[in-house]
Amino acid sequence: SYELTQPPSVSVSPGQSASITCSGDKLGDKYISWYQQKPGQSPVLVIHEDTKRPTGIPERFSASNSGNTATLTIRGTQSMDEADYYCQAWDSTTGVFGGGTRLTVL
Amino acid sequence: DVQLVESGGGLVKPGESLRLSCVASGFSFSHFGMNWVRQAPGSGLEWVSSISAGSSHSYYADSVKGRFTISRDNDKNSLFLQMDSLTDEDTAIYYCAKDFRASSSWNAFHVWGQGTLLTVSS
Repeated sequence: SYELTQPPSVSVSPGQSASITCSGDKLGDKYISWYQQKPGQSPVLVIHEDTKRPTGIPERFSASNSGNTATLTIRGTQSMDEADYYCQAWDSTTGVFGGGTRLTVL
Repeated sequence: DVQLVESGGGLVKPGESLRLSCVASGFSFSHFGMNWVRQAPGSGLEWVSSISAGSSHSYYADSVKGRFTISRDNDKNSLFLQMDSLTDEDTAIYYCAKDFRASSSWNAFHVWGQGTLLTVSS
């Protein structure tokens, strides 16, 4: 079965850029979505179709997808960005999530 | 505003059945594919099942195939998940989620409900 691999944790200082990677075989051939989940809350879509931000998502969120790796980048990271982030793709008719990355802003 | 409200979770014993519901509002429900995603306590997200806008296609994770059935009633703006032969590994918060794009496949999960908790325990 298809797998997406994320680092368990990433730390960033306030105001700096944070990058979260998601790896999978020929991932660049698939569309990637990214979700943010804060404790006790439902996930929120922050990126779809590799690079697109839904309405209401701040411009500091951006993403790329090429080769075997997709990357979510948060510029000027704020304390409110501290959360778990999940990548997601479709492998044929099966939805696949990465294991999630906890972003700590300290 | 787009809103999804799940219900039907609870405490059941292994081997029992349960039906989850998700009522949608604020968008043309019949035009969008819908999905169930679950999250076990302290764990990550797991896709469970998806259904097309007109119910012609449905898909399942291997972990639930043959035990769970997704369905929808477009007249009542409702999504369902019938869960049979439950095991403790099915314990999770179950979220319903709306496709990003209408009448399209393999979308992002755009809007999520608040989730409903299923606990399977003897």
